[in-house]
Amino acid sequence: QVQLQESGPGLVKPSETLSLTCTVAGDSMSGYSWSWIRQSPGKGLEFIGYIYYSGHTVYNPSLRSRVIISVDTSKKQFYLSLNSVTAADTAIYFCARAVLGTTTSFDNWGQGTLVSVSS
Amino acid sequence: QSALTQPASVSGSPGQSITISCTGTSSDLGNYDLVSWYQQRPAKAPKLIIYEVYKRPSGISNRFSGSKSGNVASLTIMGLQAEDEADYFCCSFGGSNNIHVIFGGGTKLTVL
Repeated sequence: QVQLQESGPGLVKPSETLSLTCTVAGDSMSGYSWSWIRQSPGKGLEFIGYIYYSGHTVYNPSLRSRVIISVDTSKKQFYLSLNSVTAADTAIYFCARAVLGTTTSFDNWGQGTLVSVSS
Repeated sequence: QSALTQPASVSGSPGQSITISCTGTSSDLGNYDLVSWYQQRPAKAPKLIIYEVYKRPSGISNRFSGSKSGNVASLTIMGLQAEDEADYFCCSFGGSNNIHVIFGGGTKLTVL
């Protein structure tokens, strides 16, 4: 059973860069797409983007100018970088793996990490 | 790109069946059989319960079923149990020219 774990700072200052790592355990990264999804407190879910194990990325157009997702399969990690953050970026950030052969159904999730944007 | 539309809340008594709707458009949900449903309990990550409209991941009870008609997808839970009380989110491929994945706003299921 694959397990995902997010890590990174829980507090980021406005205008700075949010950086998170998702560590994958229990399965290979090959063949899957790996996503970042966030949830603002008390609100719904928002897709940020995904990366294939090969490195191909797809981003939410509303975040595309500020986001980079990258992967290091040798470390079994993938990463989220979101720059120029504002209070609107305060959310629980989840990393997730999509069902094999899909990019739109997420069958394994990390526990989530709360990132607050505040000075 | 608008999110998918779900009712804010539904409720039912133990043993009853409930259905949660999820409305999209012909550009997203209505044009692709790529609808999934998630159950989220408080302070937990979402859990996939239905994907590709009606498929159940291994380990998910057959009390959960999914369907789609036109621009509306539905999640039905039969034989409600207290443990089903949670938030439920629908999700769809957003279409080739839009956000890759869009979510509904979520529905709070209360088991009376």
